[in-house]
Amino acid sequence: EVQLVQSGAEVKKPGESLKISCETSGYSFTNYWIGWVRQMPGKGLEWMGITNPDDSDTRYSPSFEGLVTISADKYLNTAYLQWSSLKASDTAIYYCARQQRPYSWLLDSWGPGTLVIVSS
Amino acid sequence: DIQMTQSPSSLSASVGGRVTITCRASQDISKYLAWFQQKPGKAPKSLIYDASTLQSGVPSKFSGRGSGTDFTLTISSLQPEDSATYYCQQYNRYPPTFGGGTKVEIK
Repeated sequence: EVQLVQSGAEVKKPGESLKISCETSGYSFTNYWIGWVRQMPGKGLEWMGITNPDDSDTRYSPSFEGLVTISADKYLNTAYLQWSSLKASDTAIYYCARQQRPYSWLLDSWGPGTLVIVSS
Repeated sequence: DIQMTQSPSSLSASVGGRVTITCRASQDISKYLAWFQQKPGKAPKSLIYDASTLQSGVPSKFSGRGSGTDFTLTISSLQPEDSATYYCQQYNRYPPTFGGGTKVEIK
């Protein structure tokens, strides 16, 4: 069974750094890209970017390029999303999800989400 | 980016009824459209991909149609557990983009 387990909720101050994780199991980690999706409070879904755990090829949405870093560790079967300097507007739930098939941006299995609250 | 426009933004329907949600793309996306269901406090769940293919385990009360720029999601035999927000997403061109969502309430 494919499983994506995300790290727990975080409460941070503006300007702080953060790295959240998405640990996977039940499939070959390097065969499927992992994407990240943001959901701000009461709002819809926004695509952030996607990474290939096999070779670290990473594509960002233009809206998030330079604002976050997406990575993966193929030895830990874990993907990451990180910020170097958080803003209050980064308050949201962040979901990781697995690519369903090669050469496609289609996501099928999703993690439960990580709530990030940024507040002074 | 390709813009995805869903309508309506919300609707209410009766148990046993049927609803149809529309999703329109700002340019041709062929068949590369997915539908997701999201219940409060939960992660999105994939229902349909390639416009009309049900994900494994998704009941046949959900059906999708369309190609090009116009797509629909129909939910029949409505039950209270179908109350959720439904999102479409195109994955034909990068970046993939989501519609704004349709909140479905079952009376």
